[in-house]
Amino acid sequence: GAGVSQSPSNKVTEKGKDVELRCDPISGHTALYWYRQSLGQGLEFLIYFQGNSAPDKSGLPSDRFSAERTGGSVSTLTIQRTQQEDSAVYLCASSLIGKAEAFFGQGTRLTVV
Amino acid sequence: GEDVEQSLFLSVREGDSSVINCTYTDSSSTYLYWYKQEPGAGLQLLTYIFSNMDMKQDQRLTVLLNKKDKHLSLRIADTQTGDSAIYFCAETYDEGGSYIPTFGRGTSLIVHP
Repeated sequence: GAGVSQSPSNKVTEKGKDVELRCDPISGHTALYWYRQSLGQGLEFLIYFQGNSAPDKSGLPSDRFSAERTGGSVSTLTIQRTQQEDSAVYLCASSLIGKAEAFFGQGTRLTVV
Repeated sequence: GEDVEQSLFLSVREGDSSVINCTYTDSSSTYLYWYKQEPGAGLQLLTYIFSNMDMKQDQRLTVLLNKKDKHLSLRIADTQTGDSAIYFCAETYDEGGSYIPTFGRGTSLIVHP
């Protein structure tokens, strides 16, 4: 596609439920990044992928968070047993390997009630 | 302390110049970026500068880099109300061909008539 696409754009879920957030990167971009933006905070790095592998998982806040990428394209961020502190905007970005420019999607706003 | 620091707010009058400042700590930073986030939107890459440069100009935008002091600034000439947004400074270093941006908390620019 023309840009990074994230779905859903908004998600309201009950505490304790699992959620899946999807990211479609720009076609051909092999690097993919997930960030979390909480109210009044900056962007917190979660994880990045080179192709289908994730060399750096250090940013995932807890073992309730996991992410996968298949076919070197679509990525899914899964949050199990959601808590209210998980409420945030989750942003995905992609780039070409070896290129400095990362392009962001519009984000998924997650609200845990 | 944080890796990338910015002041949180800046208020300017329409037509004036805006200068948004950023400091970073990682001397091995390869690229430094400015992103813009409008309300409810994702991040838009405005410009970036390679660490061996000290200035980059692009229309109304001027980026200045003082590598010795680890200080980056973004000057917006003739600021317009449409420039009102949050501006994020970010830095990356080369991690095996991937550049993972580390962001500051963002500076909210308010442009008033």
